[in-house]
Amino acid sequence: EADIYQTPRYLVIGTGKKITLECSQTMGHDKMYWYQQDPGMELHLIHYSYGVNSTEKGDLSSESTVSRIRTEHFPLTLESARPSHTSQYLCASSEFGYSYNEQFFGPGTRLTVL
Amino acid sequence: AQSVSQHNHHVILSEAASLELGCNYSYGGTVNLFWYVQYPGQHLQLLLKYFSGDPLVKGIKGFEAEFIKSKFSFNLRKPSVQWSDTAEYFCAASGNTGGFKTIFGAGTRLFVKA
Repeated sequence: EADIYQTPRYLVIGTGKKITLECSQTMGHDKMYWYQQDPGMELHLIHYSYGVNSTEKGDLSSESTVSRIRTEHFPLTLESARPSHTSQYLCASSEFGYSYNEQFFGPGTRLTVL
Repeated sequence: AQSVSQHNHHVILSEAASLELGCNYSYGGTVNLFWYVQYPGQHLQLLLKYFSGDPLVKGIKGFEAEFIKSKFSFNLRKPSVQWSDTAEYFCAASGNTGGFKTIFGAGTRLFVKA
């Protein structure tokens, strides 16, 4: 079944650790996104990709980086986690080409940095 | 600047009550509008969308939304809510400007009392 997966679902780590949040989709979509979401706040776009070897920064400044080596995989990395990175991170994908294409979301990763 | 504003952060209703969640947007050019829903423990998913044609859009589970261009609004309605409608609802806008990026509102948390 076509879906979008994120691992881990929950992560608690100490300051200074390097972490990678995984996102994979079996939808066959070209476009992928990472959003940051805090309770009661808008989803903020932090990274997106139009396809393999394409990555762009979103509207919200983020110290994270992303890569897109394979169509189905779009991992997000924090080189040195800080308490200010505590948040929920949502990965999404959509078909390329039209702005009315809906986005499909993964279950999210809830990150806590101590 | 592009933005989406949702009028209420929290709404509490009794079963069978009517629902209307407000959404106003600011987006230059042609706009596409969406309502996404996140049920407890589930992924964010599309409820309905508008991109052209009839401004009254019908979605899943008896929801509908009306695009009123003159008011920059896209309010979500349901004539009679059920306990299972308890969820968080996000309004979103995208378009051909801004690199096809989708702008999300802060969400409205709906609780339906049985």
